[in-house]
Amino acid sequence: DVKVTQSSRYLVKRTGEKVFLECVQDMDHENMFWYRQDPGLGLRLIYFSYDVKMKEKGDIPEGYSVSREKKERFSLILESASTNQTSMYLCASGQGYEQYFGPGTRLTVT
Amino acid sequence: RKEVEQDPGPFNVPEGATVAFNCTYSNSASQSFFWYRQDCRKEPKLLMSVYSSGNEDGRFTAQLNRASQYISLLIRDSKLSDSATYLCVVNTRNTDKLIFGTGTRLQVFP
Repeated sequence: DVKVTQSSRYLVKRTGEKVFLECVQDMDHENMFWYRQDPGLGLRLIYFSYDVKMKEKGDIPEGYSVSREKKERFSLILESASTNQTSMYLCASGQGYEQYFGPGTRLTVT
Repeated sequence: RKEVEQDPGPFNVPEGATVAFNCTYSNSASQSFFWYRQDCRKEPKLLMSVYSSGNEDGRFTAQLNRASQYISLLIRDSKLSDSATYLCVVNTRNTDKLIFGTGTRLQVFP
C-alpha cells in the first residue's frame, strides 16, 4: 500500500524559529512536492523535486527552502517562521500525474 | 483570474440525489485533468482522471469540454459517504505539476 508519512501532525512554533518539516515516501517515486493549504486559497505549490539534490520553486517559495538528500525524503524548511506561515502543510509524491499525499502537518506560528 | 475555478458550495443534497459539479480552467495548454476527493481533516486522494471522451466509474461520471475549457463531475445515487470536498485538478503539458482548484464541498444528508 502506498505510504507518505510526515514527521508531525501538529506543530506550534514561535515567530523567528527555524522549522523543519519532514516527509518520507516508500514508493520509490522520483517526484516529491510540498504544498500549503489555506481556506479559500486551496492547495498551493511551494517547492517540488524531480530527483535527489534537485529542487524547483513552485508558486509560493518565498520564506521556504527544501532539501532532498535521499530519494525517499523531502524536507521543507522555514528559515525564520512568521505568523503568515500558519497553515496546513501537505507533502506528496508521485510518478506521472497521480500524486499521493501525506496526512499533513498543521503548523501554528505564534 | 485563478487558473482553476470551482463553485465552493456547499451543495447540500439528500441521499439518492444526483449532483453535478463544474470546474473551469484558464490555460488552454492544460493537458490532463483529474478529480481529487478530500475528506474533512484528511489528505486529498485521486478520485478519477478525466478523459476527452468522458469516463465513468460506478456512480461517478467525468466529462471534459476542451472547447469551453470546463470539466464536470456527476455523482448519481448520492451516499452519505460521498460527503467531502471535490478538487478539480489540471496539469499542463510537459510537467508533472498539478494545479488545484479550491474545491467544491458536498454534504449528503439522510
